Amino acid sequence: DAKTTQPPSMDCAEGRAANLPCNHSTISGNEYVYWYRQIHSQGPQYIIHGLKNNETNEMASLIITEDRKSSTLILPHATLRDTAVYYCIVRVDTGGGNKLTFGTGTQLKVEL
Amino acid sequence: NAGVTQTPKFRVLKTGQSMTLLCAQDMNHEYMYWYRQDPGMGLRLIHYSVGEGTTAKGEVPDGYNVSRLKKQNFLLGLESAAPSQTSVYFCASSLGQFSETQYFGPGTRLLVL
Repeated sequence: DAKTTQPPSMDCAEGRAANLPCNHSTISGNEYVYWYRQIHSQGPQYIIHGLKNNETNEMASLIITEDRKSSTLILPHATLRDTAVYYCIVRVDTGGGNKLTFGTGTQLKVEL
Repeated sequence: NAGVTQTPKFRVLKTGQSMTLLCAQDMNHEYMYWYRQDPGMGLRLIHYSVGEGTTAKGEVPDGYNVSRLKKQNFLLGLESAAPSQTSVYFCASSLGQFSETQYFGPGTRLLVL
């Protein structure tokens, strides 16, 4: 299983871009990188995922390095409601169930 | 669409008591999952199901049993609760084997005294 490493916490000013890094140096060629977030006391929420190419949706952008050993989640204009724990996950697929292995994530605090 | 719902939201048990947590989804998803989350830790997979009538063990299955008698429901049972099972329990579902997204419920807070 590919492990991920994230900083435990980050701060961001409201309206600025939040760039959350993730290292996954042991990722396999067919493993996807997922990002979820968990706002306090709520269930995790899917944000975005990718394999090789950069991805963008209405919530965020995902930049994956060419060697796939690291990635960055970008929230282009962070708001106070983006304060949450952000989890970078590499999917573990054993052929039955898309099991997600959650680490401890990055606590992002968006401030005025 | 209610998405994924969990019952109850909060429960207090005494050591040795039993209870069942109910997860329901109305999205016709094949896969369902039970996770637990302890303070300062990420979510850990307890059990999961890849379809009606099937279940499988996750990372931390001991002390729990599950059943998936109906596609839309996934039950998590504690036969004899222990204080170590004090946690927040999250249920999730996903469309199928090649679905990338899991949808989570709001969680059940369980306190075992």
